[in-house]
Amino acid sequence: GENVEQHPSTLSVQEGDSAVIKCTYSDSASNYFPWYKQELGKRPQLIIDIRSNVGEKKDQRIAVTLNKTAKHFSLHITETQPEDSAVYFCAASLNTGNQFYFGTGTSLTVIP
Amino acid sequence: GAVVSQHPSRVICKSGTSVKIECRSLDFQATTMFWYRQFPKKSLMLMATSNEGSKATYEQGVEKDKFLINHASLTLSTLTVTSAHPEDSSFYICSARAESSSYNEQFFGPGTRLTVL
Repeated sequence: GENVEQHPSTLSVQEGDSAVIKCTYSDSASNYFPWYKQELGKRPQLIIDIRSNVGEKKDQRIAVTLNKTAKHFSLHITETQPEDSAVYFCAASLNTGNQFYFGTGTSLTVIP
Repeated sequence: GAVVSQHPSRVICKSGTSVKIECRSLDFQATTMFWYRQFPKKSLMLMATSNEGSKATYEQGVEKDKFLINHASLTLSTLTVTSAHPEDSSFYICSARAESSSYNEQFFGPGTRLTVL
């Protein structure tokens, strides 16, 4: 089955700086890679996603890059704000079955 | 947007009892729902895929007789934790895939915190 690894597990940045979270996956057939933000005790919220036919996607301060050859993808948050503080999860999914396999999570703290 | 609810949001039960958790898609139909388990400060672990009108597909290591899943309609899936024990205490989250949306998109419920005494 799919195995998704995520680094770092914790990340602290100063407000205004950038944050980068990296994930690797094992199954080359995975073709959809969402990123979720989860605040304590709440449901995961989709913040951005990317499909395997695209190398990069950007939405305001958030961007995701995908390297299919190396089987890794990254989340980039620029101009971080305190409200960006949360746990972020990457996931990988195959078209068939559509199950999501999540990374281990990154606890991001933005220091004002 | 698509809304998924879960009930109850919190449940405390005695060891040995069974607990049922409901997952509902409120404004869309979902032939496929997913159940996850999340320990404190840990990742979401996929437990099973719930298919409307057929048996659930369980991930390796998840006991199907322990975690009973029923997907009786296009808007409701239930997870029953049978003979619960303290080690079953966890945050259980469901998600649903909308038939009309992108084939990959999933919408998550708010989760159910189960505490087994």
